[in-house]
Amino acid sequence: QSVLTQPPSVSGAPGQRVTISCTGSSSNIGAGFDVHWYQQLPGTAPKLLIYGNINRPSGIPDRFSGSKSGTSASLAIAGLQAEDEATYYCQSFDNSLSANWVFGGGTKLTVL
Amino acid sequence: QLQLQESGPGLVKPSETLSLTCTVSGGSVSSSNNYWAWIRQPPGKGLEWIGSFYHSGNTYYNPSLKSRVTISLDTSKNQFSLKLSSVTAADTAVFYCARGDTALVSSYYFDSWGQGTLVTVSS
Repeated sequence: QSVLTQPPSVSGAPGQRVTISCTGSSSNIGAGFDVHWYQQLPGTAPKLLIYGNINRPSGIPDRFSGSKSGTSASLAIAGLQAEDEATYYCQSFDNSLSANWVFGGGTKLTVL
Repeated sequence: QLQLQESGPGLVKPSETLSLTCTVSGGSVSSSNNYWAWIRQPPGKGLEWIGSFYHSGNTYYNPSLKSRVTISLDTSKNQFSLKLSSVTAADTAVFYCARGDTALVSSYYFDSWGQGTLVTVSS
């Protein structure tokens, strides 16, 4: 059971827009800690996609965008492409017990 | 270009100690702008944070693993390491080392990852 809750899977056709939700609580996202997103292509290490809720590292296309509100956050992918098929993880910080970096369970994106 | 490379045994026996090293190139483990972490991923499952080490010496461990984990830095070799004791089959996973960035307040994330190394716990 992950501290952050994500849907197990989402899907969309090429060119469409999809969103992935990430729900936390008052001890992590709701406490003001930022949400970050990672993309993990099959058989590879995770890669930072969005940091600080809305920021894209250099080289990440602007098709990827993030948002945060209350105890939840979302990742949006516009103009879906075949190479976007991957698992996406949200991550934040939780102060309920001790310093604790926490991840969502991951969402598998299928491009139809 | 920062690079992180994990190394260590791919097979560990139950009840023994798993030891991994992460070699950092293109950056310094002594940087005050960063912290260093280990994250694992059991086969077919999600990511689990193991622990984070700041150059100041402050170390934070996942409460579920705290009694078995030690992370340390070797600034002379620009490396950091992970030791996980009393391992069982449940500890079988791909282990990643990663760099954290401290630039943003209230923002704790990993901006660079190693390629990962599979460690299997089996007799």
